[in-house]
Amino acid sequence: EADIYQTPRYLVIGTGKKITLECSQTMGHDKMYWYQQDPGMELHLIHYSYGVNSTEKGDLSSESTVSRIRTEHFPLTLESARPSHTSQYLCASSEYKGNRGPQYFGPGTRLTVL
Amino acid sequence: QKEVEQDPGPLSVPEGAIVSLNCTYSNSAFQYFMWYRQYSRKGPELLMYTYSSGNKEDGRFTAQVDKSSKYISLFIRDSQPSDSATYLCAMSEDSNYQLIWGAGTKLIIKP
Repeated sequence: EADIYQTPRYLVIGTGKKITLECSQTMGHDKMYWYQQDPGMELHLIHYSYGVNSTEKGDLSSESTVSRIRTEHFPLTLESARPSHTSQYLCASSEYKGNRGPQYFGPGTRLTVL
Repeated sequence: QKEVEQDPGPLSVPEGAIVSLNCTYSNSAFQYFMWYRQYSRKGPELLMYTYSSGNKEDGRFTAQVDKSSKYISLFIRDSQPSDSATYLCAMSEDSNYQLIWGAGTKLIIKP
C-alpha cells in the first residue's frame, strides 16, 4: 500500500544533541516537504524538494537541514537541538504535475527538547 | 492580516447535525483549494481537492468555492462523533508550489 512513513513518532532529547527525523514514501512522488506545526497553529513550510539532489528552504527560518539522495527518502537533521525546536514535524509528498498536486502527509514526529 | 483566515473554534454540535466550516482568503490568484482533517497527534488527511469555483461532493462531505467572495466552505452532513477533529483549509496559486494554510477549526460532535 502506498504510504508515507515517519520515524520516530515521539522523541524526547536533551539540549545540544544531534537528531535526524526520518521520512520515507512509497507513493512514487517527486516532491517532498517538511512542515513544522505548533498546537492550534497553521503549518509552516521549512524545507521542500522537487526530486533527487534538489532541496530548498521554505518560508519558516529553520536551523535544520535536509537531503534528498533517493526519491523515496527525505530526512531532516538538527545538528544541535534546543528547547525552541520543540514542535511537531510533518513530512508530506505530492506529484509533480506542474504545481497542482495535493500533498499527502505522514503521521508526524513530535519532538521535545529538554 | 493573514492570507487565509479560519475560525479556530471549537465548534460543538450534536450528532446528526449539518456542519459548516469556512475559510476566507485575500489572494485572488488562488486557484486550488483543499480541505484536510487532522486527528489529535496525527498528520493531516486530505478530504477534498477542488479547482476554481463551484461545488464538489464526496459522500457526506461537500466543498464549495466562491471566488468572487474569496470564501470556501466544507459541509458535513449527518455528522458523527468520529468526525471530531481539526479541519484545515489550504490553497495555492496556479503558478506556485506553496500551499497557504488556515490555522484550523476544531470540531466536536457530541453523541
